[in-house]
Amino acid sequence: QLQLQESGPGLVKPSETLSLTCTVSGGSISSSSYYWGWIRQPPGKGLEWIGSIYYSGSTYYNPSLKSRVTISVDTSKNQFSLKLSSVTAADTAVYYCARHVEYDWFDPWGQGTLVTVSS
Amino acid sequence: QSALTQPASVSGSPGQSITISCTGTSSDVGSYNLVSWYQQHPGKAPKLMIYEGSKRPSGVSNRFSGSKSGNTASLTISGLQAEDEADYYCCSYAGSNWVFGGGTKLTVL
Repeated sequence: QLQLQESGPGLVKPSETLSLTCTVSGGSISSSSYYWGWIRQPPGKGLEWIGSIYYSGSTYYNPSLKSRVTISVDTSKNQFSLKLSSVTAADTAVYYCARHVEYDWFDPWGQGTLVTVSS
Repeated sequence: QSALTQPASVSGSPGQSITISCTGTSSDVGSYNLVSWYQQHPGKAPKLMIYEGSKRPSGVSNRFSGSKSGNTASLTISGLQAEDEADYYCCSYAGSNWVFGGGTKLTVL
């Protein structure tokens, strides 16, 4: 059974870079047809897609976040990572990672990790 | 790219049917049959309920169904049960971009 788990600091200072890692277990991140995505949810608000990556390194980014986002993959560790630079309080959210079928759905999702931006 | 438009809330009694709409544009919902729907209980991660507009993943009850007409996709839940009370989100492919709806809170009365 495929499982995803987010990890990283729960508190980041304004203007710094948010860094999270998603570890995939129960399956290979190098599986064809699957991308791996990041989605966030500010407290009490809706979902926002951040970006997705293929095991080869090919990426898609949300145009509204593209200038600040970098997603990378480490196939040897079965992990993919998110970096979001120049964060502000507006970036405070629960960050989820998920398997992403290209052009299509997200499933399964990790349990999510809350990242708070505050000094 | 703007978020897809969903009603903020819907409600229904046990056994009834409800429909949640998801309105986009000709650049997303209207152009692709690639709308997915997610159920999210409080404090939990979203769960895929419908993909490609009307297909159900294995394990999802056949009480959940999806459809699309023009720029609007819909999720229908029949035979409402207490456990269906949750937030529901639609999502559409929008050309190298994915956009979610604002979410709909379903209350089972």
